[in-house]
Amino acid sequence: NAGVTQTPKFRVLKTGQSMTLLCAQDMNHEYMYWYRQDPGMGLRLIHYSVGEGTTAKGEVPDGYNVSRLKKQNFLLGLEPAAPSQTSVYFCASTYGDNYQPQHFGDGTRLSIL
Amino acid sequence: GQNIDQPTEMTATEGAIVQINCTYQTSGFNGLFWYQQHAGEAPTFLSYNVLDGLEEKGRFSSFLSRSKGYSYLLLKELQMKDSASYLCAVVDSNYQLIWGAGTKLIIKP
Repeated sequence: NAGVTQTPKFRVLKTGQSMTLLCAQDMNHEYMYWYRQDPGMGLRLIHYSVGEGTTAKGEVPDGYNVSRLKKQNFLLGLEPAAPSQTSVYFCASTYGDNYQPQHFGDGTRLSIL
Repeated sequence: GQNIDQPTEMTATEGAIVQINCTYQTSGFNGLFWYQQHAGEAPTFLSYNVLDGLEEKGRFSSFLSRSKGYSYLLLKELQMKDSASYLCAVVDSNYQLIWGAGTKLIIKP
């Protein structure tokens, strides 16, 4: 039971470098989400997708791009990376809408120097 | 604006009972979630309330009062493994999920 898998788990980048975070789910979920979590703050939604080929902006989309070419995968890009993007990134998925519990990946810890 | 308030940190003793409160001011209401998040791990689902009242799941119970914009999570017979952050999240009128900052619960022997 893999559930939601995030790759990589840790990464250190230099300012200006590019990075793509991968999220894969094997539960046939329609909805997928990218969040960032910073100390003392709640989860903040970056982008989300309600199905293959669709994406939408969340609360804090600036500096990030996403793609959902396949139903099971949701990619988050930082291009270029900035120190303000140092954070823990979580991917989540649900079968349907926000009435359903979200299933989270283990997170990606990203440091940008 | 939309706002969810939870205490930042709480301390309780192993074997005791603790109540973690969550108050919300959101544009509409379509349900409230509680999640548990151990340090360095992903959040995991605990409960979902959409109607007023208390729902019990083993040692954990969740209460909702929509008229007061208030919920609480009640943890009984506390165990050391319950040390974690507890996140409250509300589904607003646009079916967006609004997250609180979480309450860090410390359990002492």
